[in-house]
Amino acid sequence: GENVEQHPSTLSVQEGDSAVIKCTYSDSASNYFPWYKQELGKGPQLIIDIRSNVGEKKDQRIAVTLNKTAKHFSLHITETQPEDSAVYFCAAIISGGGADGLTFGKGTHLIIQP
Amino acid sequence: DTAVSQTPKYLVTQMGNDKSIKCEQNLGHDTMYWYKQDSKKFLKIMFSYNNKELIINETVPNRFSPKSPDKAHLNLHINSLELGDSAVYFCASSDRGGYTFGSGTRLTVV
Repeated sequence: GENVEQHPSTLSVQEGDSAVIKCTYSDSASNYFPWYKQELGKGPQLIIDIRSNVGEKKDQRIAVTLNKTAKHFSLHITETQPEDSAVYFCAAIISGGGADGLTFGKGTHLIIQP
Repeated sequence: DTAVSQTPKYLVTQMGNDKSIKCEQNLGHDTMYWYKQDSKKFLKIMFSYNNKELIINETVPNRFSPKSPDKAHLNLHINSLELGDSAVYFCASSDRGGYTFGSGTRLTVV
């Protein structure tokens, strides 16, 4: 089955700086890669996703890049703000390939220092 | 309207009891899931279900069983609860695209 590795487990950055979280996946058939943000006491919320036919996607301060050859993808957050503090999860799946569900990385606790 | 809602939000119960967690989605999605989040925040799929197929993660004990009365609901029944079942359980749904999660049920077994 799919295996997703995520690094770092904790990331502390100064407010206004950029944050980068990296993930690798094992199954070359995976073709959908979402990122989720989980705030304390809440469920994971989708913040951005990318499909395997695209190398980069951007939404305001958030961007995701995908390198299919190397089987890794990254989340980039620019101009970080206090409300960006949360746990971030990457995930991978073969979209349309059955009901196996998302395979998640182990999460990154992002801390924005004021 | 909440897209994926689950009840209760908190559940404290004694070892050996049987309990249920309910989940409903109003997104019209075909597939629903149960995920378990352990104390280290690791999210792991337990079940996925659509109107044709139930897929069970082989690591899930058979004390856990999903019940789907209709396409919009997927409940989770747990028999003979154990201390190790303490975790946050998330319901989710999807339809060929992004997954939408509920807000979670924190289960504490004492």
